[in-house]
Amino acid sequence: DVKVTQSSRYLVKRTGEKVFLECVQDMDHENMFWYRQDPGLGLRLIYFSYDVKMKEKGDIPEGYSVSREKKERFSLILESASTNQTSMYLCASSFTVGEQYFGPGTRLTVT
Amino acid sequence: QKEVEQNSGPLSVPEGAIASLNCTYSDRGSQSFFWYRQYSGKSPELIMFIYSNGDKEDGRFTAQLNKASQYVSLLIRDSQPSDSATYLCAAHSGAGSYQLTFGKGTKLSVIP
Repeated sequence: DVKVTQSSRYLVKRTGEKVFLECVQDMDHENMFWYRQDPGLGLRLIYFSYDVKMKEKGDIPEGYSVSREKKERFSLILESASTNQTSMYLCASSFTVGEQYFGPGTRLTVT
Repeated sequence: QKEVEQNSGPLSVPEGAIASLNCTYSDRGSQSFFWYRQYSGKSPELIMFIYSNGDKEDGRFTAQLNKASQYVSLLIRDSQPSDSATYLCAAHSGAGSYQLTFGKGTKLSVIP
């Protein structure tokens, strides 16, 4: 079974803090993705990576950056957290783009 | 702007009935389509995908695709209370694209 793990299930941070969310997959997938999910807005792609050290912006990259130094690990960085970044963050990995395996999610609250 | 549209629901069906979930997409170049199920408080999981026009069956689930009408559907036969979840439709434009376009999901409630 594919396993995608995320570093925290719940996280509370203060405005202006730098926040790191980590995602690890164990299936040697080339593709990894970061989404946020908000009520009424659905799943929105923040960034994705199709290879080590390769990254591409998704639909809402502003205020975020990513790092992929190893194939199995994809990190999302909030450079200076703001209250409008309070959300559920979901990481996914895949061999083919459509068949994505999601991690359990991190519910981030920025106060 | 590529869009995938779904009725948000909730769609309520009695146990044992057929649940019909529908999805339309705007990008005529979309090649493949995916249905994800998301239980409340959980992350999405892939349940079906379809690439060709027509029907694809997997157990109680049937995915239907009509590219001319830009329409995708998911039928769930003999609906069970455990099918109660939000169903997300997603479209992929094909080779060269690394993004899925997700709909906002339809919430299904199966009433015992």
